[in-house]
Amino acid sequence: GAVVSQHPSWVICKSGTSVKIECRSLDFQATTMFWYRQFPKQSLMLMATSNEGSKATYEQGVEKDKFLINHASLTLSTLTVTSAHPEDSSFYICSAGAGTRGETQYFGPGTRLLVL
Amino acid sequence: QKEVEQNSGPLSVPEGAIASLNCTYSDRGSQSFFWYRQYSGKSPELIMFIYSNGDKEDGRFTAQLNKASQYVSLLIRDSQPSDSATYLCAVKESNAGNMLTFGGGTRLMVKP
Repeated sequence: GAVVSQHPSWVICKSGTSVKIECRSLDFQATTMFWYRQFPKQSLMLMATSNEGSKATYEQGVEKDKFLINHASLTLSTLTVTSAHPEDSSFYICSAGAGTRGETQYFGPGTRLLVL
Repeated sequence: QKEVEQNSGPLSVPEGAIASLNCTYSDRGSQSFFWYRQYSGKSPELIMFIYSNGDKEDGRFTAQLNKASQYVSLLIRDSQPSDSATYLCAVKESNAGNMLTFGGGTRLMVKP
């Protein structure tokens, strides 16, 4: 149980294009989902907390107009990187809260984004 | 600022030995503690969580929590080369909703 999927797993795009990443909880409902970014050999960095039916809460320094998050249902959250640039190239990982307290985070497999 | 601290390592242990990974946290009101394993190039996977003081065992893994001293540890018995990974400690701090604060991770290397 507590399986989270992400799609796509790999994206290569040209600078200036937008990329949408989907995060799905497959066997449970997640009121809260989280989006992280991780650069090579660095720690996980929380970008935003996504609550179903409401606006996402972004961490300091994360541009909400660049990283659009939508959590339209209890099993799906999407992250759209708008007008991507090479510096946006990173490993994007989502997680979904589950468990009796809803605070155990289960991670998706991640999406590797390369912007040329 | 609330923090979760881990020694970055690498921690090198021989195959079959016990690996001991430590984590300290600053928020005394923290209630829930998690250990994740992250292989290179992969996303984190949950190993176990612990809420109460003392030990919690799951197979070769034992989590230890000491709230008075504000540390949580993970012991891996009979370490295997396949245990080589980065281990992340995560803490649910007080007044943080369901958000977890992650440590920087400890890189473990188990040598055959």
